[in-house]
Amino acid sequence: GAGVSQSPSNKVTEKGKDVELRCDPISGHTALYWYRQSLGQGLEFLIYFQGNSAPDKSGLPSDRFSAERTGGSVSTLTIQRTQQEDSAVYLCASSLVGTAGYNSPLHFGNGTRLTVT
Amino acid sequence: AQTVTQSQPEMSVQEAETVTLSCTYDTSESDYYLFWYKQPPSRQMILVIRQEAYKQQNATENRFSVNFQKAAKSFSLKISDSQLGDAAMYFCAYRPNNAGNMLTFGGGTRLMVKP
Repeated sequence: GAGVSQSPSNKVTEKGKDVELRCDPISGHTALYWYRQSLGQGLEFLIYFQGNSAPDKSGLPSDRFSAERTGGSVSTLTIQRTQQEDSAVYLCASSLVGTAGYNSPLHFGNGTRLTVT
Repeated sequence: AQTVTQSQPEMSVQEAETVTLSCTYDTSESDYYLFWYKQPPSRQMILVIRQEAYKQQNATENRFSVNFQKAAKSFSLKISDSQLGDAAMYFCAYRPNNAGNMLTFGGGTRLMVKP
């Protein structure tokens, strides 16, 4: 596609429910990243995929968070038993190769704003 | 651990004037990349400018330039001839060169542009 696409744009859920957030990266981009942006704060790294594998899961805040990527393309971030502190904007980014360096800049989507009530 | 600090939560500039946003970082690495990203209300992060630590020359992209002081671990962004469309959140970010695959971001600076 023309850019990184994320859905839904906004999601309101009740505490304790599970949610799935979707990211469709730019076609051909092998690397995919999930970040979380809490209100008024910078971005916090969650997880990184190279192809379908996730060599770096160090940022996932708890075992309620999981992510998968299939076919080297679409990725889903799942949050189980949501808590109010999970409320944030979840941003996805993709790049041609694994390093977000000079020749492989990160392209971000517009994010999903998750509100847990 | 690497940290990135933006000490100015908010800045304001008059249209057509110049403004400088501050960023400091802490790292033990010698080879790394630094970035400035802009986040408008659409929430999409847009890369403004990037700097490789091994390059002494400060990066420039049209009205945007940086002042990279490696010894001081400082990486400020200068916006010249500010335009209304420059109003946004600005984030400084760092990435080590040794197989680092994720960016460490600062807390952001909200830039307001007055007409």
